[in-house]
Amino acid sequence: AQKVTQVQTEISVVEKEDVTLDCVYETRDTTYYLFWYKQPPSGELVFLIRRNSFDEQNEISGRYSWNFQKSTSSFNFTITASQVVDSAVYFCALSEADGNNAGNMLTFGGGTRLMVKP
Amino acid sequence: DTAVSQTPKYLVTQMGNDKSIKCEQNLGHDTMYWYKQDSKKFLKIMFSYNNKELIINETVPNRFSPKSPDKAHLNLHINSLELGDSAVYFCASSQDWDWSNEQFFGPGTRLTVL
Repeated sequence: AQKVTQVQTEISVVEKEDVTLDCVYETRDTTYYLFWYKQPPSGELVFLIRRNSFDEQNEISGRYSWNFQKSTSSFNFTITASQVVDSAVYFCALSEADGNNAGNMLTFGGGTRLMVKP
Repeated sequence: DTAVSQTPKYLVTQMGNDKSIKCEQNLGHDTMYWYKQDSKKFLKIMFSYNNKELIINETVPNRFSPKSPDKAHLNLHINSLELGDSAVYFCASSQDWDWSNEQFFGPGTRLTVL
């Protein structure tokens, strides 16, 4: 079973629209971290945010905001007033403290391609 | 200054060949990783090394052999390349192997096997 699911494979919006990228995860651990990474057309992976399972406070960073809800196992990402430069593939990822000292293994969702048109 | 670098950026080769991809990080991190991103953009971990020791090996064929000469370097050698090995390979590093750490990724190496 997939541990991190991003059901939206592709989203297209017009500049200045708000857009939310969904992420649903699955874990038996009570202790885990969630991440979002951005992969622009140039191909590199850029870290955006890390959130631990004990901190359900929403976070805002400029036009970006994240909504973490343990009750629904979701960690959604919203871009307000989208810009063309936001066009990228966005990945949600999970890191679990599974107790077997397997170390830091990121499990990625399938990614959501966001296209922002002028 | 580049934090995590990979060479080459592009690699085109014939089936059956052996090739290597190099990765270096100048962040002073203890842990390094290799990920594979397939044509559908799906990212999956292959290996993780902590202080030059193998920590994670995720059911990767034996044709793939990582080598870590020191904790700043993690190279990936691939024997007898197959068409299905075509992908983008990302190297990453983190402060240590604690599961809470952010991973910093290299720019990727696009491998094309003809």
